[in-house]
This record gives sequence, C-alpha cells and structure tokens, in this order.
Amino acid sequence: DTGVSQDPRHKITKRGQNVTFRCDPISEHNRLYWYRQTLGQGPEFLTYFQNEAQLEKSRLLSDRFSAERPKGSFSTLEIQRTEQGDSAMYLCASSSDRVAYSGANVLTFGAGSRLTVL
Amino acid sequence: AQKVTQAQTEISVVEKEDVTLDCVYETRDTTYYLFWYKQPPSGELVFLIRRNSFDEQNEISGRYSWNFQKSTSSFNFTITASQVVDSAVYFCALSERNAGNNRKLIWGLGTSLAVNP
Repeated sequence: DTGVSQDPRHKITKRGQNVTFRCDPISEHNRLYWYRQTLGQGPEFLTYFQNEAQLEKSRLLSDRFSAERPKGSFSTLEIQRTEQGDSAMYLCASSSDRVAYSGANVLTFGAGSRLTVL
Repeated sequence: AQKVTQAQTEISVVEKEDVTLDCVYETRDTTYYLFWYKQPPSGELVFLIRRNSFDEQNEISGRYSWNFQKSTSSFNFTITASQVVDSAVYFCALSERNAGNNRKLIWGLGTSLAVNP
C-alpha cells in the first residue's frame, strides 16, 4: 500500500467555479477525514467518515461543501461556487479503529490538494 | 476548552545543534492523547508519536525524544544533533477524550524549524 493518495495535488480555479478533490485512503483503514490548512495554521477538521457513513461535519463546512464516500473506500470533497476564502490546502487522512492494529487511531495523511481561487 | 500552544513560531539552528520544541496544552479531560506530526516542505503530515495521558514515560527514538509532564501540561520534543533534513514545520496536537475516534485533533499553530548547514 502506498499510503493516502490525493488528487489533484494543485488546482487553480476562478471564483464561482466548482472543484472536486479525491482521496484514496490506505486500503485497510475504515475511517477517513478531511481537514483544511491555511498558511501558518494547523489543520482544521472538516468532516469524518466511518466506512461510508459521514458521522460528523464541522461548522466550517458550509452548504457549498459536500463530501462523499460512497462505497467506504475513496472519498470526494466538492466545493461549489468557490470563493477566494476557500483557497487552502485540503488534507485527507485515514485511520483504523481495529484495536489489534498497531497503528490504530493514528491518522495517516495524504500530501494534500492545494486550491487557489482567483 | 481544549487548546494547544506552540509558543515558538520559528526556530533556526545550525546543524548538529540540539533543539527543543515546546508544546503546552489545556484540557479538562482526564483521558487524552497527545501527538507530534512533522510537515516537511512537500506538505505531507508525518506522524511522529502518540502519547496517552496515563503514560508519562519519556520516549526516545533515535535522535528524537519527547518529555511529557502532566504537572506542567507540556509535551516537549527534542531533536538531538539536528540535521538539515529535520527542517520542517512541527505540529503538536491533542485529541478529545474519545481517542478511539481521533477525529477532532486540536492542533497547535506549528513551529517552523530551519536547520542550516
């Protein structure tokens, strides 16, 4: 397994356009998280999936944001009608809740998808 | 409220120097987890260590060591004999009580470490 993959790595778009990011977690991980990170800040939690169920959404996730994990494997994060304030690095992470798994509950992050809204 | 403070915004050292990154946290929980992550220029957050609140033993891993002191609510990170490859932003994070979910890590603002040759 090559870790958590995110695509695209960079996206430049014009204000008002829609963008979609994809995350492929580590295959044996049942939990998937989206975070957002702006320059000079730590990651901010956006949302969390256990298998295909979206269990929690941050208040940061406005109605323009939607995330899915249809089959409990990869996930997509869509931003509609992008605004300049959406410019950030969008990070995906995955983890496993299996007690026997030695790395249980430690988040493994992808390299992120950097969004620039002009 | 939970909070993580990394008072050092930027640190610059010369290679082979030892450097300590400070982390102070606030929580009302008696059960919690603390983490350190490294974010090199490539951007990917790399897990370094997890420590639960009941384990105050210090830990050493190669040139890295961590000092956890509940009495001062600190979880400091020391790099011994720093190398240029250690240059990165280092984040300290605190999880809520239900660490089984680990879904709401509270992050510090990070310390940017520059190790110069």
